[in-house]
Order: sequence, then C-alpha cells, then structure tokens
Amino acid sequence: SQTIHQWPATLVQPVGSPLSLECTVEGTSNPNLYWYRQAAGRGLQLLFYSVGIGQISSEVPQNLSASRPQDRQFILSSKKLLLSDSGFYLCAWSPTRQSYGYTFGSGTRLTVV
Amino acid sequence: AQSVTQLDSHVSVSEGTPVLLRCNYSSSYSPSLFWYVQHPNKGLQLLLKYTSAATLVKGINGFEAEFKKSETSFHLTKPSAHMSDAAEYFCVVSERADSWGKLQFGAGTQVVVTP
Repeated sequence: SQTIHQWPATLVQPVGSPLSLECTVEGTSNPNLYWYRQAAGRGLQLLFYSVGIGQISSEVPQNLSASRPQDRQFILSSKKLLLSDSGFYLCAWSPTRQSYGYTFGSGTRLTVV
Repeated sequence: AQSVTQLDSHVSVSEGTPVLLRCNYSSSYSPSLFWYVQHPNKGLQLLLKYTSAATLVKGINGFEAEFKKSETSFHLTKPSAHMSDAAEYFCVVSERADSWGKLQFGAGTQVVVTP
C-alpha cells in the first residue's frame, strides 16, 4: 500500500534562517506531488506541484522554492524565512494524470519567530 | 476555471443530531468532487469522492454526499453526529480535464459537537 511521510512535524525557526521540509512517498511510482500551505484561519493554498523528477510548477510567487531530486521525494525550501512564512505545510500525492483525490501527509507546523 | 464555496464557516450540532455541511461548486468541465476532514494539527483525510458514478456517495464514518448537477451542489450529511466528528471539513473540486490533478479547496467549515 502507498504511504506518505512528511517531516518534521513541528519547526520553530528565526527570521532569515533557511528552511528544508521533506516529503517522501512509498508504494507507488511517478506520482504527482504537491505542497500546500494552510495559514491560520484560512483554507489551503497550492504552492507547488510536480509531475516528474525535476519538473516543478509554482502557483504563487513567494519566498519559497521546491525541488524533486528523486521520483518519490519532494522538498520545500527557503533561503531566508519571513514571518509570513509561518503556517501549516502539507505534502500530498496523487496518481499520475488522474484527479481522483490526494493522499496527504501529516503536515509540518512552521513558526517563524 | 473551477471554484468551490462552503456556505457555512462554522456549524454547531448536538451529539446524536444530523449534520449538514453545504457546498456549491463551479466548473467548466465535468468535475470530480471530494470532502476531506482535518482534525487539529493533522493532515487531511479523504471522507468521500464523486467521480461521475452514482450521484449519492457514501464515505467513511457514516458520512454521505449527493451530487446535484442542476443545483451545482455537493452537500455533506451524517444522520447522527458523534463527538469525534468535531473537526474542520473541506469541500474540494477538480476538473477531470485537468490532467495535473490540481484541486481547488473551499475555505472550510468548522464543526463543533456539543454533548
């Protein structure tokens, strides 16, 4: 069966520090991968999605970047965090070229101080 | 273009009474529709999905939803609320013509269950 792992679960980082959040999927190949952010009191915002290794699409301009170095690995990064980067970050995967819903990771609570 | 509107930001119900969470959508193509639940500081869990088969969809934990094309609605119901149903619920739409599978999330409905 397929599983998705996301870590760390919580993170407190100072303004200006770098960020690296990692997500891996097991039990499937060539998944679509997604990073979402959920700010306090707001819905989910799609940040990045990827349909293959090295293929990244950004939905909104921001202080973050994403990379997909391996088929089932998706990394969210920042060189210098801003206070506005605080939020709940969720990784998700879906079968390739199908819109039958996502499976979400357990999320990372990021607080920038 | 696709969008989804959850008509209630908060719903409060008594334990044992019915739950109704309302959702309206717009889509240029035949949509897939989903309901997800999120407990505090947890990831999202899929409750049920509609992908062009039966219009009445049954999901986990006793939830069901009915796809009504004429009303562009996909309301979520449960006959009898349980304390464990307290969570945030998201209605989600995806256009099946969208091969990237991008989902559009509603703003969410916070459900409170009182004893």
